[in-house]
Amino acid sequence: NAGVTQTPKFRVLKTGQSMTLLCAQDMNHEYMYWYRQDPGMGLRLIHYSVGEGTTAKGEVPDGYNVSRLKKQNFLLGLESAAPSQTSVYFCASSLTRGSPLHFGNGTRLTVT
Amino acid sequence: GQNIDQPTEMTATEGAIVQINCTYQTSGFNGLFWYQQHAGEAPTFLSYNVLDGLEEKGRFSSFLSRSKGYSYLLLKELQMKDSASYLCAVREGETGANNLFFGTGTRLTVIP
Repeated sequence: NAGVTQTPKFRVLKTGQSMTLLCAQDMNHEYMYWYRQDPGMGLRLIHYSVGEGTTAKGEVPDGYNVSRLKKQNFLLGLESAAPSQTSVYFCASSLTRGSPLHFGNGTRLTVT
Repeated sequence: GQNIDQPTEMTATEGAIVQINCTYQTSGFNGLFWYQQHAGEAPTFLSYNVLDGLEEKGRFSSFLSRSKGYSYLLLKELQMKDSASYLCAVREGETGANNLFFGTGTRLTVIP
């Protein structure tokens, strides 16, 4: 049972480039989330989804877009990367709103 | 809003007991989670408190006092593998997604 899988694990972008981070879960969870983790700041919610076809903004959504076309997948897009988006990105899922989160192993993104 | 405080770093000896505190200020408190995160890895769920009192799970226990806005994670019989960051996260509100807000984490180092 793979749980939550993120790809890629590492990526380096130049300012202005675009990319998509893929998150896949095989636990049939309804809720999916994208967080970023920066030193001294804790995990911060970027966007989330409460079910297939739905998305909503979290704490720090600017500069990011998401899509949830299939229940098992949640994509995070950066249209025009900025150095401030250098971070470790974690995808997570939960069965219900109050259930514990299951996290993927993270994507380390560097924007130069 | 929310304000979650936990110590940045702690050191403890193998076999000992350590208590990691978390204080929070939030509107609409709806539960508190503790996660463990080893360096370079994903956070993993440890415990959940929504009512006052102590929740025990093997070597780990978590306590909550809602009136004081206070929780602690107690780790007994420390092992070297317990060296990790411990994240306190508060769930807030009744609508939207998990609305889980994370503290910056406490990095615990277990020494022989």
